Amino acid sequence: QVQLQESGPGLVKPSETLWLTCTVSTGSISNYYWSWIRQPPGKGLEWIGYVYYNGDTNYNPSLKTRVTIVVDTSNNQFSLKLNSVTAADTAVYYCARDVWYKSGSSWVFNGMDVWGQGTAVTVSS
Amino acid sequence: EIVLTQSPGTLSLSPGERATLSCRASQSVNSGYLTWYQQKPGQAPRLLIYGTSIRATGVPDRFTGSGSGTDFTLTINRLEPEDFAVYYCQQYASSYTFGQGTKLEIK
Repeated sequence: QVQLQESGPGLVKPSETLWLTCTVSTGSISNYYWSWIRQPPGKGLEWIGYVYYNGDTNYNPSLKTRVTIVVDTSNNQFSLKLNSVTAADTAVYYCARDVWYKSGSSWVFNGMDVWGQGTAVTVSS
Repeated sequence: EIVLTQSPGTLSLSPGERATLSCRASQSVNSGYLTWYQQKPGQAPRLLIYGTSIRATGVPDRFTGSGSGTDFTLTINRLEPEDFAVYYCQQYASSYTFGQGTKLEIK
């Protein structure tokens, strides 16, 4: 059973850069898309972006100018970089596996089937 | 960007009752890309339904997804105590969006 574990600082100062890493264990990072999702305190889920194992990315248009997601297949990890953070970036950050596969000429989405436990990040001076 | 609006915001029901949760999209959604998640306090979301109506592994058959176009529904028959949680719908159309969630609470 694949497991995901987020890691990174719990506290980041305003205007600085947030780096989080998700380690994929008991399974391969290959052939899957991998997403970052966040949840501000008491609020709903916001998708941040995803990376494919080959490095292709797609980002939430509202965060696109500040986000970079990279993959490290040799270490079975993928990472989130969020620039110029503010208090509005305070949230629990989750990583998740997106299950997509090609069926003929169409893509099929089987959901985000594995999630990390989440890591809380506070932006404060 | 497709906006998903879930209703009601909070649903108060008793165990054994049926819950009907709605997810309405601002424009038509590919039904193959409509997904539902359950989230309990302090936990990560759990995949319930994908492709509008396909239950994920281990999801009880009291959970049923349906819908098409802009209107989708998650029905939970015979509510069990462990079903009381927050439910989110999600869609993909060049990017993912989530609905704001429906909290299912015990009456």
